[in-house]
Amino acid sequence: RKEVEQDPGPFNVPEGATVAFNCTYSNSASQSFFWYRQDCRKEPKLLMSVYSSGNEDGRFTAQLNRASQYISLLIRDSKLSDSATYLCVVNQSGGSNYKLTFGKGTLLTVNP
Amino acid sequence: DTEVTQTPKHLVMGMTNKKSLKCEQHMGHRAMYWYKQKAKKPPELMFVYSYEKLSINESVPSRFSPECPNSSLLNLHLHALQPEDSALYLCASSPGAWGDPSYNEQFFGPGTRLTVL
Repeated sequence: RKEVEQDPGPFNVPEGATVAFNCTYSNSASQSFFWYRQDCRKEPKLLMSVYSSGNEDGRFTAQLNRASQYISLLIRDSKLSDSATYLCVVNQSGGSNYKLTFGKGTLLTVNP
Repeated sequence: DTEVTQTPKHLVMGMTNKKSLKCEQHMGHRAMYWYKQKAKKPPELMFVYSYEKLSINESVPSRFSPECPNSSLLNLHLHALQPEDSALYLCASSPGAWGDPSYNEQFFGPGTRLTVL
């Protein structure tokens, strides 16, 4: 099982659609989980940390299921500006807590 | 100030050149990172500095040499690089302080796009 595995995508959706990204991780000792977005030829930007109780920030909702080692990101009412690559990121606890492992990313294109 | 800055934005160098990449943050973060990113791939960790000490070296070739002069600055010295080292080099920082729940939320600089001829 890969350390962090994401939907390969790409996703093409119309404006206003709801889109969900899924991610699984292999290290059951992982403690920190994040979603980053990366625009073409730009740096990754932290979108949300993912907490055990789930968390919401406007149109974005993140969920964590530790038993299934599964993380999700839901985007409601998608906008053209949401077009980007979404990276699922997990820390590798057990070694150094500073080491984050990135999924390969899922490309989202929101169409007018 | 909530940003990580990197210079230069672009760098073209020959295989015999020596150059340095610079990174700066003024968020009081105690951990700083270098990543390498190739097109259509996720970032790959190269080095981690924690409290100004090198804590992780991901078996990076010695032609890459990191340096942390102080808690705000991180350099990456480059020497005798190969064309396959061409990539986007990203610096990041995180609070890195135990007890801070956001201690490993990493914030990235805009990167240096490096081309080795």
